Amino acid sequence: ETGVTQTPRHLVMGMTNKKSLKCEQHLGHNAMYWYKQSAKKPLELMFVYSLEERVENNSVPSRFSPECPNSSHLFLHLHTLQPEDSALYLCASSHLAGAYEQYFGPGTRLTVT
Amino acid sequence: GIQVEQSPPDLILQEGANSTLRCNFSDSVNNLQWFHQNPWGQLINLFYIPSGTKQNGRLSATTVATERYSLLYISSSQTTDSGVYFCAVLQTGANNLFFGTGTRLTVIP
Repeated sequence: ETGVTQTPRHLVMGMTNKKSLKCEQHLGHNAMYWYKQSAKKPLELMFVYSLEERVENNSVPSRFSPECPNSSHLFLHLHTLQPEDSALYLCASSHLAGAYEQYFGPGTRLTVT
Repeated sequence: GIQVEQSPPDLILQEGANSTLRCNFSDSVNNLQWFHQNPWGQLINLFYIPSGTKQNGRLSATTVATERYSLLYISSSQTTDSGVYFCAVLQTGANNLFFGTGTRLTVIP
């Protein structure tokens, strides 16, 4: 138990669906991250929020839309995804963005059909 | 971006054996973390070690930042050590971790 929770743990969605992934951290941190882990590729950053402001957007397609309503919650809104978007989506948090230890949630395994 | 290379890519050990995993990176960093990813995908923090040496039970890690590498030592390996070990670095001035491609460890009884 890392103090970072994610829901749902598994999600199957069609290409025309809209769904949201949720992340919550109970560590009192001020930075939160979305990472994507695809088969046979290294984990790659999608978004960084620090003090509820987006500080990094790593050339992610607009069909992924993040939202950070407060420092404890982070959402990833999904719409009109493609099958190649199937992956493990990991949320992380740290005290602040930058040179601080990051803690990861258990991930949401997404399958797009 | 910074390049992070891990070796070996795959490792099979007999229970009780020792092993060394290596992480090389191509630029200066101000954060380095080692993770163990279990079969369900959870990344478990092993070490936060931008420099120096740390030990935690059967595991220890050393980072030599000036030479741009880090080592993870696993002693007296157990079957529960199986999984993928990732090294991740934070390039100086960046906000996010860059991950290596991992070492897949299998410990057989």
